Amino acid sequence: QKEVEQDPGPLSVPEGAIVSLNCTYSNSAFQYFMWYRQYSRKGPELLMYTYSSGNKEDGRFTAQVDKSSKYISLFIRDSQPSDSATYLCAMSARDRGSTLGRLYFGRGTQLTVWP
Amino acid sequence: DTEVTQTPKHLVMGMTNKKSLKCEQHMGHRAMYWYKQKAKKPPELMFVYSYEKLSINESVPSRFSPECPNSSLLNLHLHALQPEDSALYLCASSLTAGGAQETQYFGPGTRLLVL
Repeated sequence: QKEVEQDPGPLSVPEGAIVSLNCTYSNSAFQYFMWYRQYSRKGPELLMYTYSSGNKEDGRFTAQVDKSSKYISLFIRDSQPSDSATYLCAMSARDRGSTLGRLYFGRGTQLTVWP
Repeated sequence: DTEVTQTPKHLVMGMTNKKSLKCEQHMGHRAMYWYKQKAKKPPELMFVYSYEKLSINESVPSRFSPECPNSSLLNLHLHALQPEDSALYLCASSLTAGGAQETQYFGPGTRLLVL
């Protein structure tokens, strides 16, 4: 079992829809949770960054973390065609016996928002 | 400014060539990373530099040779690559590599094709 599970989709929705993207994880050591957006043939762009359980809102985007269930979500309201991209969840933890942290990525969910 | 720049954007090389990828950031970050990303896959960590010292090498073949000349620059020297090394090579940086909370910012990547 991978440490971070994410449904790769593809997910296709009409413009204006609410989009829900999710990841589950198994490692209780994960402390910080991120969502990256990656357009085709481009580098990942940081969208949201959360630490504690609960919700964090930024414009049309809401990130939700439930540490007790080991489940994170990203909601996109009023989705736009420009939101069409791959969304990667990522979580960070320190290596055992190390002071260095690293990111663990989900597979990414490919989203298409059609006009 | 959260910009990480990478050059070149595209690179085509033969298996006997020697080439270098370059990455630059001016955010005062002291940790820099190289990732490799294949199509429809998440980024895979290759190397981590912390305070200009190589801290993590994810058992990457020696045909990839990283270099960190100073805190703002990161190079990846390529020699005798194989066609299976064709991928998007991403550079990232974070304030430090010392904690799980450090957010990583990615560059746009160099798309490498090995013939």
